[in-house]
Amino acid sequence: TQLLEQSPQFLSIQEGENLTVYCNSSSVFSSLQWYRQEPGEGPVLLVTVVTGGEVKKLKRLTFQFGDARKDSSLHITAAQPGDTGLYLCAGGVGFQKLVFGTGTRLLVSP
Amino acid sequence: EAGVAQSPRYKIIEKRQSVAFWCNPISGHATLYWYQQILGQGPKLLIQFQNNGVVDDSQLPKDRFSAERLKGVDSTLKIQPAKLEDSAVYLCASSFRGTGGTGELFFGEGSRLTVL
Repeated sequence: TQLLEQSPQFLSIQEGENLTVYCNSSSVFSSLQWYRQEPGEGPVLLVTVVTGGEVKKLKRLTFQFGDARKDSSLHITAAQPGDTGLYLCAGGVGFQKLVFGTGTRLLVSP
Repeated sequence: EAGVAQSPRYKIIEKRQSVAFWCNPISGHATLYWYQQILGQGPKLLIQFQNNGVVDDSQLPKDRFSAERLKGVDSTLKIQPAKLEDSAVYLCASSFRGTGGTGELFFGEGSRLTVL
């Protein structure tokens, strides 16, 4: 069974600070997605990375897929209260299957 | 374009009772997923359909959970009898491609179940 461990589990920061969330596994994944989930809603896709070492930027968010395709990181620059939510990484496994990580809850205070 | 529809949004039952959740995916999406999400944790896949066939149900507790997608469109997830540990949000998602995990999953708002 593929497991994706995220760290930290919970992060509380002030507006304007930078942060990094990690997603680690001992398994290799064909792709890695990051989702954000707000209370009472379903997760929404932020990005998909498919190549080892790939880096993608989405405004203040930077995503990286590890060279060995076993891990990923999400870096947020100058966090804003609107970034608050549950961040989930998800690894593509085999045919059509997606395994979600344990989640990182981010709280950004004004 | 309408999103993934789920109902009911909330359900409270007593243990040993039964409950059913309904999901209507985005039109044209062949792959449908049911996930269970315990508060504050990542979603756990219960079952995955491709059209009306089951692709993966390895983590579905089959002694109490069942799911069907008879016409390859909407789906129902049933729990009978419910246990306290079934308290969770049940998320339905659909995907157009569903190939190799690179396709985007579109989620509904979820059905929150509380078992007393």
